[in-house]
Amino acid sequence: GAGVSQSPSNKVTEKGKDVELRCDPISGHTALYWYRQRLGQGLEFLIYFQGNSAPDKSGLPSDRFSAERTGESVSTLTIQRTQQEDSAVYLCASSRRRRGTGTNTGELFFGEGSRLTVL
Amino acid sequence: DQQVKQNSPSLSVQEGRISILNCDYTNSMFDYFLWYKKYPAEGPTFLISISSIKDKNEDGRFTVFLNKSAKHLSLHIVPSQPGDSAVYFCAASVPGAGSYQLTFGKGTKLSVIP
Repeated sequence: GAGVSQSPSNKVTEKGKDVELRCDPISGHTALYWYRQRLGQGLEFLIYFQGNSAPDKSGLPSDRFSAERTGESVSTLTIQRTQQEDSAVYLCASSRRRRGTGTNTGELFFGEGSRLTVL
Repeated sequence: DQQVKQNSPSLSVQEGRISILNCDYTNSMFDYFLWYKKYPAEGPTFLISISSIKDKNEDGRFTVFLNKSAKHLSLHIVPSQPGDSAVYFCAASVPGAGSYQLTFGKGTKLSVIP
């Protein structure tokens, strides 16, 4: 597709359940990011994938959070044993190339997000 | 500890006037700054950026100013239009790591009144 696609757009789950969120980046984009935005907060970095390199997981808030990406394609973010504080909009973004490798505005292309509500 | 701060959660401006959105940062290692715009139910979209080697970058109605000594940047929109009504996020990144891992502020909601 033309843009970053995320699914589901909305997810309501019960506390303690596992959820899986999916991101389809823009074709040809080697970098993929997951961010989340909790109510009234800014965007919070979670994890970054670049090609086949080891992901940067420094933003994951706990070991209940994990993410995978196969090559330069789809990524899934999994939250195990969800808690109410996990309620947020989870945003995926992709970009063309790594920083410092040619002209790049640093522009991240974001999807519309997956709104997660944990009851 | 917020490294990127947008102290004004909202701003209202008359159509045709100038909108000035402010952003302060604490991490002196930041060397690249961006502004994103977000409409409801949409993902943020890139607006304009500036490298720390510059103090001004202009793109049409949008100009970003960087004051490194004050660790402050601002986005000027002139003239403001009703379609500019959105939440504006300031973001910054540090060199190294090969990524654009951005640190975002909480956003400022701009309302342009016709």
